[in-house]
Amino acid sequence: QITLKESGPTLVKPTQTLTLTCTFSGFSLSTSGVGVGWIRQPPGKALEWLALIYWNDDKRYSPSLKSRLTITKDTSKNQVVLTMTNMDPVDTATYYCAHRPDMVQGTYDYWGQGTLVTVSS
Amino acid sequence: QTVVTQEPSLTVSPGGTVTLTCASSTGAVTSGYYPNWFQQKPGQAPRALIYSTSNKHSWTPARFSGSLLGGKAALTLSGVQPEDEAEYYCLLYYGGVEVFGTGTKVTVL
Repeated sequence: QITLKESGPTLVKPTQTLTLTCTFSGFSLSTSGVGVGWIRQPPGKALEWLALIYWNDDKRYSPSLKSRLTITKDTSKNQVVLTMTNMDPVDTATYYCAHRPDMVQGTYDYWGQGTLVTVSS
Repeated sequence: QTVVTQEPSLTVSPGGTVTLTCASSTGAVTSGYYPNWFQQKPGQAPRALIYSTSNKHSWTPARFSGSLLGGKAALTLSGVQPEDEAEYYCLLYYGGVEVFGTGTKVTVL
């Protein structure tokens, strides 16, 4: 059974750096083809793809946020970490991590419950 | 910046059929964009329905089907149930970069 769970601060101040951790079980990020992605959703708005990391440490980023994002993995801890620098109130959103089972077919089949991050002074 | 556009809202009667579409600002959507469809209900995480244009996950009800239609990705709901009322998002793959659609709110009335 695959599960993912996001954790991190619920409130950050403008200009601060956000660090979110996705802790997962039921799969390994050392398995060929597997990846973990991050997606966010501002309140009442659409989903926005942020970043993705694969088993081989291949990393992909949203072009509009690339300069602010870093995604890393710790295979031994079954964790993926997303950092976002220079946070702004417009970054207020629910942040989800999701499992990518196959590099070729490109889907996110299992999702975490999401964590709401509010950016405010 | 690439924009993926969906109908803002659609209304369907119980038992009816509705088709949602997903268009890319770069041109026609093909199977090479590996279109995905997700369903999201209020307060819940998205749930995967369709991947690679028309492939269903093991939990996807048979009434959901994916296709390519007129240069767009399409999701058809046949025999709509009240529980299908939700927001639906498509996801397109642009060679390493991924973009979600603007979302379609489906109302069952």
